[in-house]
Amino acid sequence: QSVLTQSPSASGTPGQRVTISCSGSYSNIESNALNWYQQVPGAAPTLIIYDNNQRTSGVPDRFSASKTGTSASLAISGLRSDDEATYYCASWDESLPGPVFGGGTKLTVL
Amino acid sequence: QVQLAESGGGVVQPGGSLRLSCEASGFDLSRFGMHWVRQVPGKGLEWLAHTSYDGSFGYIGDSVRGRFTASRDNSKNMVFLHMSGLRAEDTALYYCAKDQFAGVAVVDAAFDVWGQGTMVTVSS
Repeated sequence: QSVLTQSPSASGTPGQRVTISCSGSYSNIESNALNWYQQVPGAAPTLIIYDNNQRTSGVPDRFSASKTGTSASLAISGLRSDDEATYYCASWDESLPGPVFGGGTKLTVL
Repeated sequence: QVQLAESGGGVVQPGGSLRLSCEASGFDLSRFGMHWVRQVPGKGLEWLAHTSYDGSFGYIGDSVRGRFTASRDNSKNMVFLHMSGLRAEDTALYYCAKDQFAGVAVVDAAFDVWGQGTMVTVSS
């Protein structure tokens, strides 16, 4: 059971816009930066969004993110086949203390 | 090129010990906190341990507290995960990861560089 909650799956067709959500609590998402990782099968995770809504270098502006209170979301517009991956949210949790991850959302591009 | 390379994984019996290593290159390791994260194949990510930029303090996850510790040798560009009392449920791919930002009191979950991982299998 992950501290941050994500839907296990999401899907969309090429060109579509999809949103992946992440929910937590005051001790993690509401109090600290929220980050997003992309993991394609067989590879290590890569940081794509940090500090709630900042894209890392090289991440296209099709990827955007936001945070409100204890929830956050990652939006991918103009969906492409190479966006197919598992996406994880992560935040520092003051109650542990330490980083916590969501369970991951597997995105399928139909 | 900024890189991390883990090693030291393998098969170990329940109750045994193992030390994982992470060699850093392409950046000044002494400026950054470092973390260990594991992933059971087909499952999600679990953060395990942190060592501060100078090794003076660290955080440890609940599931491994008292059994795992993280350490580092900045002079050798190395980070370590010392594991003892290993259990079947510790079987996973173990990654080391670098804090995105340098600093003394970075409290964040932004890891901008990851290694390729080293597999640990706990089995008799």
